[in-house]
Amino acid sequence: DQQVKQNSPSLSVQEGRISILNCDYTNSMFDYFLWYKKYPAEGPTFLISISSIKDKNEDGRFTVFLNKSAKHLSLHIVPSQPGDSAVYFCAATSGTGANNLFFGTGTRLTVIP
Amino acid sequence: KAGVTQTPRYLIKTRGQQVTLSCSPISGHRSVSWYQQTPGQGLQFLFEYFSETQRNKGNFPGRFSGRQFSNSRSEMNVSTLELGDSALYLCASSLDSHSPLHFGNGTRLTVT
Repeated sequence: DQQVKQNSPSLSVQEGRISILNCDYTNSMFDYFLWYKKYPAEGPTFLISISSIKDKNEDGRFTVFLNKSAKHLSLHIVPSQPGDSAVYFCAATSGTGANNLFFGTGTRLTVIP
Repeated sequence: KAGVTQTPRYLIKTRGQQVTLSCSPISGHRSVSWYQQTPGQGLQFLFEYFSETQRNKGNFPGRFSGRQFSNSRSEMNVSTLELGDSALYLCASSLDSHSPLHFGNGTRLTVT
């Protein structure tokens, strides 16, 4: 049972425009959310996170929004750059330890120059 | 500081064989976790080790096992390989349970 879902397997965006990656979760106990970015032949790297006590967290071109009532979070990348082309995974946790971290299936972002 | 190192990068095995994958965590990190990544399934948690003890285990059959050594290096073993075991196996280390995971580049296992 997939507790974290990324329903769009892929997304293409023009360079300079906004990229919006979406993630839905089913477990209302999740209280911390993360986004990881993965290039081919490399492991995922931590990008940005948000606690459930916030609804927005910003880091440079990356902003994560959390809508707890809808159990939905999104990652906005503005402006999108070709180097942002990668697979993005969202993850959620309700506790500590890797066993409590649940990943989505990923969205492949392609930024077209 | 060196990142998480996984060896080998690629492996090809046949059904029924067994395989051992290795992971060296970031220096100072005592927690090591293993994940399986397959298309359409995201990252599935296999197990987590901390100070040589398996702290948590995911929903995988007993053919999947692991261990951690005193220097925090970890190995994962899969016995009696099946075609469905073909995947990217990722190792991640963290300073503690509250810290973000740092992933290695993975071992791509192909079972034929």
